[in-house]
Amino acid sequence: ETGVTQSPTHLIKTRGQQVTLRCSSQSGHNTVSWYQQALGQGPQFIFQYYREEENGRGNFPPRFSGLQFPNYSSELNVNALELDDSALYLCASSLAGGATDTQDFGPGTRLTVL
Amino acid sequence: QKEVEQNSGPLSVPEGAIASLNCTYSDRGSQSFFWYRQYSGKSPELIMSIYSNGDKEDGRFTAQLNKASQYVSLLIRDSQPSDSATYLCAVNQGYQKVTFGTGTKLQVIP
Repeated sequence: ETGVTQSPTHLIKTRGQQVTLRCSSQSGHNTVSWYQQALGQGPQFIFQYYREEENGRGNFPPRFSGLQFPNYSSELNVNALELDDSALYLCASSLAGGATDTQDFGPGTRLTVL
Repeated sequence: QKEVEQNSGPLSVPEGAIASLNCTYSDRGSQSFFWYRQYSGKSPELIMSIYSNGDKEDGRFTAQLNKASQYVSLLIRDSQPSDSATYLCAVNQGYQKVTFGTGTKLQVIP
């Protein structure tokens, strides 16, 4: 197992609600990326944070937002939840977010939207 | 055309055989390439990374990269039932964006 932790493990919400997911990075890593993985699909890149700034974003609407804190932990916030937001949400930390950096994934948060 | 394409499988191989997993990508500017293994219900686990053309070996695993053909593969020698999982190909296209394929499900038959 990597040193990346995520909370909560599972979450059930209803359509229209808001959710916050949390991630603690591997020790020494200053970059966090968030991914959405729908059933049977590969992870889809949501965004990356480097030293508390958003450092790249995938094709996700603005209701997906994030934060990174001085200790490099991170949050993913999703507003106005839709049924299609049901997925496994993964965070991954890396040393500096460069092209050759490898990412360590956390165990994920399973979000179900009813 | 998808940015990263993989055959979804399942790919079935007998125990002890070589499993060959393939991946193609569309962005010629892609800089680095990764193979992850994902067991059902678990998060991806990095197996191999490769950055330049040619082969890279690590134990029973060999990654092969051909940038001219935009092709990357993973060979698993002496396949074991514990290798049964979904294998994800990931491509770093720069700009801090990593794109994953949909994964190939591998089944190793005892």
